[in-house]
Amino acid sequence: DTEVTQTPKHLVMGMTNKKSLKCEQHMGHRAMYWYKQKAKKPPELMFVYSYEKLSINESVPSRFSPECPNSSLLNLHLHALQPEDSALYLCASSRDRQQNEKLFFGSGTQLSVL
Amino acid sequence: AQKITQTQPGMFVQEKEAVTLDCTYDTSDPSYGLFWYKQPSSGEMIFLIYQGSYDQQNATEGRYSLNFQKARKSANLVISASQLGDSAMYFCAMKEVLSNYQLIWGAGTKLIIKP
Repeated sequence: DTEVTQTPKHLVMGMTNKKSLKCEQHMGHRAMYWYKQKAKKPPELMFVYSYEKLSINESVPSRFSPECPNSSLLNLHLHALQPEDSALYLCASSRDRQQNEKLFFGSGTQLSVL
Repeated sequence: AQKITQTQPGMFVQEKEAVTLDCTYDTSDPSYGLFWYKQPSSGEMIFLIYQGSYDQQNATEGRYSLNFQKARKSANLVISASQLGDSAMYFCAMKEVLSNYQLIWGAGTKLIIKP
């Protein structure tokens, strides 16, 4: 099983809503990532979890709240988002964070904030 | 200064021709890794190939090869015998110690294969 599964695939939410994005992998990977990607741009790193501990937070606004309940799951809780937060949100995992470890990506959640 | 530069925003290539996508990088780390990813319109980011800075030989994975020229700080992706399914965005990326092993991405090249 070499998949990273993200749900939902599409999400439309209002600025007062609370929603969560989910990510799951069963490859035994110990590093998991959230990226934000605007159209025709490269992904921007948001958060990194390493061995279930938050190791990198790239100055992301507090309206995005990550959670790693166990080594296979990664959530991104969304609250009071702004229209400019509309983007493709990609989850990824890797065996660890070493130089030669490739990231496996999910197919993303396309988020629209109205 | 840009750490990863992809100078071709878009490319059109005839099916079955070979394609070279350019990537130059900038780092002072002696040890680093270079990656190429493909992103079709469906959105998933697909790993294609990896080259370590100390690898003596150019990496190859099926129809993909990486033309690694260390002195020029160049890591071009070569796709042999292109197929319609190769139409996608292609990103070059790098990991280095100085950046805490986070992937540093280029701006991408949109490749369109013509039938």
